[in-house]
Amino acid sequence: GEQVEQLPSILRVQEGSSASINCSYEDSASNYFPWYKQEPGENPKLIIDIRSNMERKQIQELIVLLDKKAKRFSLHITDTQPGDSAMYFCAARYNQGKLIFGQGTKLSIKP
Amino acid sequence: EAGVTQSPRYAVLQEGQAVSFWCDPISGHDTLYWYQQPRDQGPQLLVYFRDEAVIDNSQLPSDRFSAVRPKGTNSTLKIQSAKQGDTATYLCASSWDRGTEVFFGKGTRLTVV
Repeated sequence: GEQVEQLPSILRVQEGSSASINCSYEDSASNYFPWYKQEPGENPKLIIDIRSNMERKQIQELIVLLDKKAKRFSLHITDTQPGDSAMYFCAARYNQGKLIFGQGTKLSIKP
Repeated sequence: EAGVTQSPRYAVLQEGQAVSFWCDPISGHDTLYWYQQPRDQGPQLLVYFRDEAVIDNSQLPSDRFSAVRPKGTNSTLKIQSAKQGDTATYLCASSWDRGTEVFFGKGTRLTVV
């Protein structure tokens, strides 16, 4: 099993509030979990990642949580701004193997 | 540092035509990936290489798609006889075997009419 499930597919939140995206993976050997942001017409860009030896990582307003037992990880964007509107993708990777992506979440920030 | 370079940026074909996409990864990156990204969906892995060797091509439609990386640097993805269902953005990405981050090119947006 190499699937990565991502929910929700569409997320609308008020500016200034938090947004949360959840992913689950099947391969218990996965040890690297990046999050990508993709704006229209652009390539996916890495915004934050977490390795399996960590449970939590924060970069400014971005927080990633990893629950290895449940094989779930999540992205939380605090104090959302209009510039956070974009597609977001989670992914999972084992060692330097293939990177498997979730289906994506379209995040819209309402002013 | 130059990023991953892809060409062309756009392609429009009629069904049955052939097309090739070219990718120049970041210098020194030994792992190269090709992804297909349909509109509003996540990237789906087609094939990936370590140096010149194919590591996994299980999701590559082998009857019409082929990919090569003969010298372990640049790579070409070819669609022999395009179908409307091939309409998508084709993303090339690269990484260093001893690293973790995967870097993406801007992609080639293919439309098959």
